Amino acid sequence: AQRVTQPEKLLSVFKGAPVELKCNYSYSGSPELFWYVQYSRQRLQLLLRHISRESIKGFTADLNKGETSFHLKKPFAQEEDSAMYYCALDNAGNMLTFGGGTRLMVKP
Amino acid sequence: GAGVSQSPRYKVAKRGQDVALRCDPISGHVSLFWYQQALGQGPEFLTYFQNEAQLDKSGLPSDRFFAERPEGSVSTLKIQRTQQEDSAVYLCASSLALQGAEQFFGPGTRLTVL
Repeated sequence: AQRVTQPEKLLSVFKGAPVELKCNYSYSGSPELFWYVQYSRQRLQLLLRHISRESIKGFTADLNKGETSFHLKKPFAQEEDSAMYYCALDNAGNMLTFGGGTRLMVKP
Repeated sequence: GAGVSQSPRYKVAKRGQDVALRCDPISGHVSLFWYQQALGQGPEFLTYFQNEAQLDKSGLPSDRFFAERPEGSVSTLKIQRTQQEDSAVYLCASSLALQGAEQFFGPGTRLTVL
């Protein structure tokens, strides 16, 4: 069975500092991985997916199959990045398996 | 265009009552998903429809939970004889019928069972 783990419930950094939100997964097949974000009082929305290899709002994530990780990174955090971040895995059945989420707080 | 909508946004039920939660997906989206999100946790899959067909209901926690999408558009999640452990946010999402397609989420229904 697939599983997604986000080891940090809360990550607090100062504005301008680098950010890394950790995500590890277990899945026997070839995974499709996503990062979803939920800003305060807004709905859950897609931030980025590994297949598109995009940089969205300065965030990037690299799939490391050897370490079964998909960590989210940003070199310089901004206050508007404060939000809940969820790593998710899409199995062949299209359902998403989510991690427990990490709350990112960027302090001024 | 309009996104996924859900109603009601908040529901308070007494233990033992039946509740019905509604989801209006994005027009043209074939796939529809229901998730349950307990406080402080990530969303957990409940069930999945492709058009009117319920293809996966493996996440429904008990036979008190029932979902339908009779015309392949609007979906209803029904919970019979609600229990306190059913208190959660229920999220609906829709997507195009493509593997790996982005799921668009509704605002959720917060259910509180007293």
